[in-house]
Amino acid sequence: DAGVIQSPRHEVTEMGQEVTLRCKPISGHNSLFWYRQTMMRGLELLIYFNNNVPIDDSGMPEDRFSAKMPNASFSTLKIQPSEPRDSAVYFCASSFTKEKLFFGSGTQLSVL
Amino acid sequence: SQQGEEDPQALSIQEGENATMNCSYKTSINNLQWYRQNSGRGLVHLILIRSNEREKHSGRLRVTLDTSKKSSSLLITASRAADTASYFCATELTSGTYKYIFGTGTRLKVLA
Repeated sequence: DAGVIQSPRHEVTEMGQEVTLRCKPISGHNSLFWYRQTMMRGLELLIYFNNNVPIDDSGMPEDRFSAKMPNASFSTLKIQPSEPRDSAVYFCASSFTKEKLFFGSGTQLSVL
Repeated sequence: SQQGEEDPQALSIQEGENATMNCSYKTSINNLQWYRQNSGRGLVHLILIRSNEREKHSGRLRVTLDTSKKSSSLLITASRAADTASYFCATELTSGTYKYIFGTGTRLKVLA
């Protein structure tokens, strides 16, 4: 099993640009979570899906952030337009039991 | 706001010693989980303890849970240099929602 796959591993972009982060969950998992990690705020839950349906997006910081899960094997987190304060590591995690999360290696985002 | 707060924030010990980390949380829980994060990597699930359990073991890990004090501890016995990582507790913000919130983490450094 390849685990949760995130791409890109690193992303450097300029303020105002659109950023799309991608996640492929573990096959058979029916829950998917997007987290953001910074030194100041730690790990923040942005949104989570169950059976491809967004259940709770109250952690999404602003309307600039959007997430989709068009099918069970793919999810995206989009930031448009990006700002320097969005710089962070973004993690995707998936779960089958909802009690044990499997994390990807994360995307290190730098917005200049 | 953080649901879980780990204590201490950082811990440095010699190889072979035991390491104890504590987690306090705010709301009622169904379970509490501990995760490890190596530098530059995603989080890895270590152990889950349910609210009706007081202690659980897994290899060199021992977890205790005191629901009356809303606290948990993670003990790593006979630590190794490879245990160097950050350790996080995770709890559901609201029981049954599967909306997992992570604490601030304890950075453990095991010196060889």
